[in-house]
Formats: sequence, structure tokens, C-alpha cells
Amino acid sequence: EAGVTQFPSHSVIEKGQTVTLRCDPISGHDNLYWYRRVMGKEIKFLLHFVKESKQDESGMPNNRFLAERTGGTYSTLKVQPAELEDSGVYFCASSLKGGSQETQYFGPGTRLLVL
Amino acid sequence: KNQVEQSPQSLIILEGKNCTLQCNYTVSPFSNLRWYKQDTGRGPVSLTIMTFSENTKSNGRYTATLDADTKQSSLHITASQLSDSASYICVVSFATSGTYKYIFGTGTRLKVLA
Repeated sequence: EAGVTQFPSHSVIEKGQTVTLRCDPISGHDNLYWYRRVMGKEIKFLLHFVKESKQDESGMPNNRFLAERTGGTYSTLKVQPAELEDSGVYFCASSLKGGSQETQYFGPGTRLLVL
Repeated sequence: KNQVEQSPQSLIILEGKNCTLQCNYTVSPFSNLRWYKQDTGRGPVSLTIMTFSENTKSNGRYTATLDADTKQSSLHITASQLSDSASYICVVSFATSGTYKYIFGTGTRLKVLA
């Protein structure tokens, strides 16, 4: 069974540009999460999809971030326009169910550097 | 404020030795506590999940303990191997407004030397 995949693995962009990150969850997993780790800090929650619906987007830092999950399969996270403080590692995770006891399976992350 | 603190920040041990990592939290209301292992360049992988009523859970050479009264958890690694070199992250979840929130610690970086 394929795990959670993320694309690209690395992205280097200039301030003001747009970047779109993609996450493919494990097949059949309705729950998809986005997290971010800024250098030197802990991983922080961004948002949670249940199928194509946003269950919780309280962690999204501002309106420069837009997450979508059309069709309830893969998800994209777009940052527009990117700022220096957006640099970090963006992780995606998926789970079969959404309960707190469900195991979340993480992807390898996308390393974003904004210059 | 909901926080998860881990100690030590980093640790170096010799192969074959045991070690214990600590996690203190102030998250409330508590739902569960997870330990993850994160290899360099990879995403976190779940090791254990414990609820309020569980005070110990094992996964091979990894044993996690939970004291919900003192809000402390530990992860004990027995007979360490080179492949145990990784970051170990403690995550505490709590329920709020019909959903669950996840608070991550900054992790302990473990290096196992031959």
C-alpha cells in the first residue's frame, strides 16, 4: 500500500511568488491534515479536511494560504504571495477516521524556502 | 496555555544502552498522547497512542508511560540500535468545539553511536 506522498519535495521561490504544494493521501483515507514546521519550532496544525470539506482551518496563518481538496482525493496548499516567514517544512497526513485515537500517517514533507 | 515540553533537547548514547525521553504537558482537556519517531528527511511515524486510562504501552523496544495526574509521559528505549537515531516527538490532543486539536512538542534528537 502506498503511503502519503507529497510534491514537490523541495521548493525555493522568491518573496512575492506563488507556490502550490500537493498531497496525495493513502487511498480511502477521508481525513487529510496539513501541518507546518518552521525552523527551530514545533510542528503546528494548519487544517483538517474530511473528504472535500474543511473540518477545521483554525491553524491557517492568514488569507495568503488556500487549501483545497476537490473530489475528496488529493489536496493542494497554495501560498500566494509567499513571504519570508512562510519558509519551513509542510507536512501532510491522512487517517481513515477522524477520531483522536486514529493513527495519522505523515508524508515526507515539502521543504519550502522563500528568499 | 496548551503546551508540550520535551527534554532533553538532544541526547547521545552508545549502541545497546537504554534511554528515557521526557514529555510534560499542560494541555486540557486531555484526550490522548502520542509518541512519534521522525527520521531525518521523513515525516513522523506513530509509535504509541495512550488515552487517559492507560499508563503504559509498548511497541517493541519502545515503552511509553503516562501519568495523567502529573501530566507527564516518558518514552523508554531499550537496547538502542543505530536505527533509533531520530527525533522523537510527543503530541497531546484535546477536544474542543467538536473537533480535536494536536499540540506538538519540539522533539528530542537522539543520536546512537556505534
